[in-house]
Amino acid sequence: DTGVSQDPRHKITKRGQNVTFRCDPISEHNRLYWYRQTLGQGPEFLTYFQNEAQLEKSRLLSDRFSAERPKGSFSTLEIQRTEQGDSAMYLCASSPQGDTEAFFGQGTRLTVV
Amino acid sequence: AQSVSQHNHHVILSEAASLELGCNYSYGGTVNLFWYVQYPGQHLQLLLKYFSGDPLVKGIKGFEAEFIKSKFSFNLRKPSVQWSDTAEYFCAVNPPHDMRFGAGTRLTVKP
Repeated sequence: DTGVSQDPRHKITKRGQNVTFRCDPISEHNRLYWYRQTLGQGPEFLTYFQNEAQLEKSRLLSDRFSAERPKGSFSTLEIQRTEQGDSAMYLCASSPQGDTEAFFGQGTRLTVV
Repeated sequence: AQSVSQHNHHVILSEAASLELGCNYSYGGTVNLFWYVQYPGQHLQLLLKYFSGDPLVKGIKGFEAEFIKSKFSFNLRKPSVQWSDTAEYFCAVNPPHDMRFGAGTRLTVKP
């Protein structure tokens, strides 16, 4: 499968724990995006990378959230000291250079108990 | 503030019925418009997009959408739905790095 892949697909964690998600974009896609989707809502933009540079962060991304894309290929999203409100589907997407459509992964569903 | 409104939360149709899903946006500048579909258990997939040119755009699986600038609308249409069109449909505006999605419309097609 040459699409966007995300790992894990599901994560259950206790409140206060740290979690890290991984995203592997489509090969040669320069841009990588993270979104969050809660039940009954559309995806909400969190942040994006152009190669290894993080170019934009939404105000939704609190200081407990950090994202990296160290070599301009895969990316990680870490949430520290998780809260129940962090429970959501975390989506990763990638696109080639330029403002074209984004190709989405299947997401990581986070449940904070 | 930029926003995208999808008026129908859940639409139920019988096979062969015609479909129109509404999408309105509020954004003053040049817009790129998208419709994405999410089939049960699958990832978001692009149905169609509008960047410029002919305001009537055709997408995959017989879907089309019309951009009406004066109404800030980008409604999705299909003349005859099939059971396999059961899915959630999302309208979105702007480039991916600041894309705004609507809340989605769940379409259920009864066989």
